[in-house]
Amino acid sequence: GQSLEQPSEVTAVEGAIVQINCTYQTSGFYGLSWYQQHDGGAPTFLSYNGLDGLEETGRFSSFLSRSDSYGYLLLQELQMKDSASYFCAVRRGDRGSTLGRLYFGRGTQLTVWP
Amino acid sequence: GAVVSQHPSWVICKSGTSVKIECRSLDFQATTMFWYRQFPKQSLMLMATSNEGSKATYEQGVEKDKFLINHASLTLSTLTVTSAHPEDSSFYICSARDRESGANVLTFGAGSRLTVL
Repeated sequence: GQSLEQPSEVTAVEGAIVQINCTYQTSGFYGLSWYQQHDGGAPTFLSYNGLDGLEETGRFSSFLSRSDSYGYLLLQELQMKDSASYFCAVRRGDRGSTLGRLYFGRGTQLTVWP
Repeated sequence: GAVVSQHPSWVICKSGTSVKIECRSLDFQATTMFWYRQFPKQSLMLMATSNEGSKATYEQGVEKDKFLINHASLTLSTLTVTSAHPEDSSFYICSARDRESGANVLTFGAGSRLTVL
């Protein structure tokens, strides 16, 4: 099995920086992904870390430490539209699967205030 | 970019009936699709991996006779909730990978909200 831990809620003001942490336990670990989901909508891909280190994509960055089973999503220059749920997800590959299944954490609800 | 379409977007049915949800990859072929369910304010729970031309792989604890998955073509997977009961009411979301987006990116459909009365 697998387990992922992330904070349930985070609040911040526009323009601020927020870090959402994620710790995980799983077998067959491939990498850590981050997805954003607005209320009632489809999750959308934000970032993926297969190797240790920082990945930067515009205002969003993601970090992974495989030895610590830990990662984070960093959101900079927050905007109101960033208010959403953010999920970390481990990509697993076992039982001969080459595509890897994705298992999600419980999500962090980010609220951005003006 | 890659688009995954789900239909219906919402459905209400009586207890004991069966409901079919379709998931289509619109501009790419998907040999594998993934079905998730999500309760309000909760995580996305992986139910099964749908494999084109072969049987689906179900996650532990998911009843395969309850949630029938058929992946008959490279662009279509269906999930049938058989003999639905109120506890099956949930948000069902499918996803797939396309080669252009990369192996590390899942594209999700908009989801299907099922309410069983």
